[in-house]
Amino acid sequence: DIQMTQSPSSLSASVGDRVTITCRASQTISSFLNWYQQKPGKAPKLLIYAASSLQSGVPSRFSGSGSGTDFTLTISSLQPEDFATYYCQQSYSTPSSFGQGTKLEIK
Amino acid sequence: EVQLVESGGGLVQPGGSLRLSCAASGFTVRSNYMSWVRQAPGKGLEWVSVIYSGGSTYYADSVKGRFTISRDNSKNTLYLQMNSLRAEDTAVYYCAREVERGGYFDYWGQGTLVTVSS
Repeated sequence: DIQMTQSPSSLSASVGDRVTITCRASQTISSFLNWYQQKPGKAPKLLIYAASSLQSGVPSRFSGSGSGTDFTLTISSLQPEDFATYYCQQSYSTPSSFGQGTKLEIK
Repeated sequence: EVQLVESGGGLVQPGGSLRLSCAASGFTVRSNYMSWVRQAPGKGLEWVSVIYSGGSTYYADSVKGRFTISRDNSKNTLYLQMNSLRAEDTAVYYCAREVERGGYFDYWGQGTLVTVSS
């Protein structure tokens, strides 16, 4: 099974900051990497699919990059509504697997 | 509008059974890949099971042999039958639509809480 490791596990930042979250796969997954945002008590929301494709309706300040084993999610200018937990997910092989999450908090 | 609404969660004793339902609207369950994903309290996301449009099913090792995913095409509803429940199955269970060619989850339900405790 493929293991996904995110870093950091938590991050404090301010409104307007540029933030990068990293996700590493235990083996190559091509571009089968997806990013989700989850707020407390809510279901996850798809942000980025296929490593770099922005889901419809998601603000353009979110972007993704990478291929193979190393991937990044970047938020170019943090907004108050972006403080949440972010998960990566590999969809290269079954079973699908998620990273452990990165909690983005207000500094 | 695509909508997924889970139901069936609750408190169950260890060793007991529960069936979760996920009623879909705005699309056809039988024509899509459908998954269950769970989240233990305060923890991350864990994929549980998938049923493909062709009917093939797959399970996480942690639930294999105990959980069964199925669908009722006439009701446009997805199910998860959970038997031999353990304390570690306590979680919010989400159903999600999986995009076939990408494997990502584009629509999620609101989740239903399953608590396994005596």
